[in-house]
Amino acid sequence: KQEVTQIPAALSVPEGENLVLNCSFTDSAIYNLQWFRQDPGKGLTSLLLIQSSQREQTSGRLNASLDKSSGRSTLYIAASQPGDSATYLCAPEGGTDKLIFGTGTRLQVFP
Amino acid sequence: EAGVAQSPRYKIIEKRQSVAFWCNPISGHATLYWYQQILGQGPKLLIQFQNNGVVDDSQLPKDRFSAERLKGVDSTLKIQPAKLEDSAVYLCASSQNRGGEQFFGPGTRLTVL
Repeated sequence: KQEVTQIPAALSVPEGENLVLNCSFTDSAIYNLQWFRQDPGKGLTSLLLIQSSQREQTSGRLNASLDKSSGRSTLYIAASQPGDSATYLCAPEGGTDKLIFGTGTRLQVFP
Repeated sequence: EAGVAQSPRYKIIEKRQSVAFWCNPISGHATLYWYQQILGQGPKLLIQFQNNGVVDDSQLPKDRFSAERLKGVDSTLKIQPAKLEDSAVYLCASSQNRGGEQFFGPGTRLTVL
């Protein structure tokens, strides 16, 4: 059974810092992994999808890496802004289309 | 391109009552998912449709929950009767095909009193 852990659970940083959010999963037999952000009271916004054959994906200030063999993914946020404040969720997919979510990292970026 | 639409956004009911949620996926998306997100947790898949057929409903409490996607587009999720522990946000998502990137709607926040 796939289990997903996200560390840290919460993070508060000043604007401008570069951030690293960690995601680990127990079953390395995944098809892809998605990173989402969730704003309070809102749905999930897809940030990046990494296929199992890829090592990383980039979108603007976001970069996600995947090390399938060690069961880890990292989301790197460059030059953080207050608008980045949200909960970040990772979700590996094991080939059955079922995303298994962690409990997320709650990020607060203050001016 | 319009996103995934859900209604209502909020619903408050008493235990043992019934409730229904509606979802309209992104146009052309064959795969539709319903997730349940309890406060402080990540979403958990309840049911997955491919067109109008069920792919996975292994985590759907079938004694009280039901879902349908009759014409392969819109979907309805129903709870009858509701329990206190059903209080959660119900999220609908869609993807172009199985294994594709999933896009989520805004969710329906259900409170059962």
